[in-house]
Amino acid sequence: AQSVTQPDIHITVSEGASLELRCNYSYGATPYLFWYVQSPGQGLQLLLKYFSGDTLVQGIKGFEAEFKRSQSSFNLRKPSVHWSDAAEYFCAVGAPTNAGKSTFGDGTTLTVKP
Amino acid sequence: DADVTQTPRNRITKTGKRIMLECSQTKGHDRMYWYRQDPGLGLRLIYYSFDVKDINKGEISDGYSVSRQAQAKFSLSLESAIPNQTALYFCATSDTGDSYNEQFFGPGTRLTVL
Repeated sequence: AQSVTQPDIHITVSEGASLELRCNYSYGATPYLFWYVQSPGQGLQLLLKYFSGDTLVQGIKGFEAEFKRSQSSFNLRKPSVHWSDAAEYFCAVGAPTNAGKSTFGDGTTLTVKP
Repeated sequence: DADVTQTPRNRITKTGKRIMLECSQTKGHDRMYWYRQDPGLGLRLIYYSFDVKDINKGEISDGYSVSRQAQAKFSLSLESAIPNQTALYFCATSDTGDSYNEQFFGPGTRLTVL
């Protein structure tokens, strides 16, 4: 079965600073990987996804993530954080052998300081 | 208009009451899901349905039931609500033709059981 770990429950960064949110997954083959963002009072919105090919994927709102098979990681990055990026971020993993279902991490809450 | 809608958005009820949360979608997707979100626990899958005649239990189905009234409608019921079911509930959809299972979320229903 697949699983996802987001080691950081809460991260605080200053506006304009760079951001990296960590995600580690467990799955025997190449998984399908996703990052979702949940703004206050909103549902989850897909930021980006990885299925195969180029290991650096670009998403919306200036986010990117890099798949590293050797580290079983799919970390989310942004070079310069904006106050509007304050939200909760979820990493999720899907798998061909578990078609139709995704497993979500526990989430990382991002606070942005002025 | 939103593609995935949930009603009500907020509900306060008392222990022992029967509650129904409704989800409707206009995305034309066959797959629908119900999750609950608790602080620090991420999203946990309650039930999912891959078409009108297909209903499956997720990881935390005890105390819940569902009904798939049509392709576009998927309702979650709490037959006898208990305070432990206080949480944020999300409905999501995905496309059967999308083997990677990107999911699209509603805005959530905040349920409080007193």
